[in-house]
Amino acid sequence: NAGVTQTPKFRILKIGQSMTLQCTQDMNHNYMYWYRQDPGMGLKLIYYSVGAGITDKGEVPNGYNVSRSTTEDFPLRLELAAPSQTSVYFCASSDTSGSRSYEQYFGPGTRLTVT
Amino acid sequence: EDKVVQSPLSLVVHEGDTVTLNCSYEVTNFRSLLWYKQEKKAPTFLFMLTSSGIEKKSGRLSSILDKKELFSILNITATQTGDSAIYLCAPSAGGGNKLTFGTGTQLKVEL
Repeated sequence: NAGVTQTPKFRILKIGQSMTLQCTQDMNHNYMYWYRQDPGMGLKLIYYSVGAGITDKGEVPNGYNVSRSTTEDFPLRLELAAPSQTSVYFCASSDTSGSRSYEQYFGPGTRLTVT
Repeated sequence: EDKVVQSPLSLVVHEGDTVTLNCSYEVTNFRSLLWYKQEKKAPTFLFMLTSSGIEKKSGRLSSILDKKELFSILNITATQTGDSAIYLCAPSAGGGNKLTFGTGTQLKVEL
């Protein structure tokens, strides 16, 4: 299993540009999450999904959109990039059954700079 | 609003020392508390605690939860330089099992 994969690893955007951060997991997990981590801070939840077709806002959703058309994929869309969105973005997934249920597995992250 | 406070914010110790990291939390619909280790990349899972007073151990690391006092500690004995990292505490809550992360404790272990 590859686990949780994210692309790209790094990206520089100009203000006002758009992009999609990709996230895929091959563990058949129901739950998926997007976090952002600013320097010296903990992770903040942007959006999450409890299954295909179901998404909900987290703590800091403004400026982002998500979709979940399949169990495996959970892309994060930035429509009009702003410098405040410069951050490291982590995708995570978790199962809801078994002894390790609710443990979140993280992808390697995408480092995004908006200038 | 959910709140997680970790202390100390940073800590420098020598190899072989024992450290205790603290986490206090206030979240609605609490389910469990998770500890993660982060070394300049993605967080890696250490422990998940759901019951009060039951210590979980993994090698030199151990953790315990107090659901009455809304508090958890992470102990590391006989520290090694490889333990240098940021340790994150995250209670999970509500539908979707959302995690609220603290800002972390930055641990540096010197020779």
